[in-house]
Amino acid sequence: NAGVTQTPKFRVLKTGQSMTLLCAQDMNHEYMYWYRQDPGMGLRLIHYSVGEGTTAKGEVPDGYNVSRKKKQNFLLGLESAAPSQTSVYFCASRAPGQPQHFGDGTRLSIL
Amino acid sequence: AQSVTQPDIHITVSEGASLELRCNYSYGATPYLFWYVQSPGQGLQLLLKYFSGDTLVQGIKGFEAEFKRSQSSFNLRKPSVHWSDAAEYFCAVGSTDSWGKLQFGAGTQVVVTP
Repeated sequence: NAGVTQTPKFRVLKTGQSMTLLCAQDMNHEYMYWYRQDPGMGLRLIHYSVGEGTTAKGEVPDGYNVSRKKKQNFLLGLESAAPSQTSVYFCASRAPGQPQHFGDGTRLSIL
Repeated sequence: AQSVTQPDIHITVSEGASLELRCNYSYGATPYLFWYVQSPGQGLQLLLKYFSGDTLVQGIKGFEAEFKRSQSSFNLRKPSVHWSDAAEYFCAVGSTDSWGKLQFGAGTQVVVTP
């Protein structure tokens, strides 16, 4: 009964490097979301998805790309990491008409 | 556009005392409203939600919240705080379309003193 699992939990990157964050859910949820959390700003939506192959931009999409090739997985990519992308990243999923369930987060530092 | 304001960045409360966290929202219609709690290094856990119906909503861990349309508020309350309630609390408004996107407030950090 894992719920929403995020991989990795911690990562340090150098400016300009690329990486992919993985979110996996085992609840057969249609909707998935990526947020970033910064001090004093709450969580802000980066991208979201309503199903396989369907994604959309959220409030702060610049510098990120996403992929939803399988219903249970939602990938967040940073093509060329910048220090401003240092943050804690949260993934969430939900069924229609239900609240979002969150993973435990990925703490990303970019030097 | 929807928005959420949590006026109190930080609240200190004594164990056993009551707690009230404020949340004001802006939304074009009756929104979906949520309170989440985040313990250090953890993800967000849902405390309670309001979709429709009774404006006083009961949640987990002894929390409740009241939706007041006239004040655009959804304040969270607990009659008697426990040390384990120390955490950060987030109010969120959800869009009522099929996307269900959430707009979060900046959060309120709750410190519980002995």
